[in-house]
Amino acid sequence: ELKVEQNPLFLSMQEGKNYTIYCNYSTTSDRLYWYRQDPGKSLESLFVLLSNGAVKQEGRLMASLDTKARLSTLHITAAVHDLSATYFCAVDNTNAGKSTFGDGTTLTVKP
Amino acid sequence: EAGVAQSPRYKIIEKRQSVAFWCNPISGHATLYWYQQILGQGPKLLIQFQNNGVVDDSQLPKDRFSAERLKGVDSTLKIQPAKLEDSAVYLCASSLDLGLRVNNEQFFGPGTRLTVL
Repeated sequence: ELKVEQNPLFLSMQEGKNYTIYCNYSTTSDRLYWYRQDPGKSLESLFVLLSNGAVKQEGRLMASLDTKARLSTLHITAAVHDLSATYFCAVDNTNAGKSTFGDGTTLTVKP
Repeated sequence: EAGVAQSPRYKIIEKRQSVAFWCNPISGHATLYWYQQILGQGPKLLIQFQNNGVVDDSQLPKDRFSAERLKGVDSTLKIQPAKLEDSAVYLCASSLDLGLRVNNEQFFGPGTRLTVL
């Protein structure tokens, strides 16, 4: 059974600082997704990573995938308050054709 | 392009009652998912359809939950009878095509918040 672990689960950081969120998974996969969820809202797709070494960037967020280490990172550069949200990674079980989600990292950016 | 539509947005029922949720995916998306999201957790897949066939329902509590997607477009999820632990947000999502197994990026609806008293 595919297991997906995110850490940290909660992150409080000051504006302007950098930080990295980690997503580890337990079985081979080369497809990983990052989603954002604002309080009381649904999930919004941020990044789609489809191969080893894939790197995607959007604004202050950058995501990467290392399939050999079974690890993805979401790096936040110079955080701003608008980035406060819960971030989920989801990994495809390529044999079963479905995604398994982590429990999310709740990010709070303080002035 | 219209997103994934869900209704109702909120529902409050008493335990042992029945409830149904509706989802209309993005036009042209072959794959439809129903997730249960309990507060503080990630979405848990209940059932996955490709067109009108079930791909995965291994985590669906079949003694009380049922789902259908008769014409391969919209879908309903039913709970009968509801239990207190069913209180959660029920999310519907769709993706373009699982057949190629290339990109399973999912687009989520706004969700239905269910409270069971």
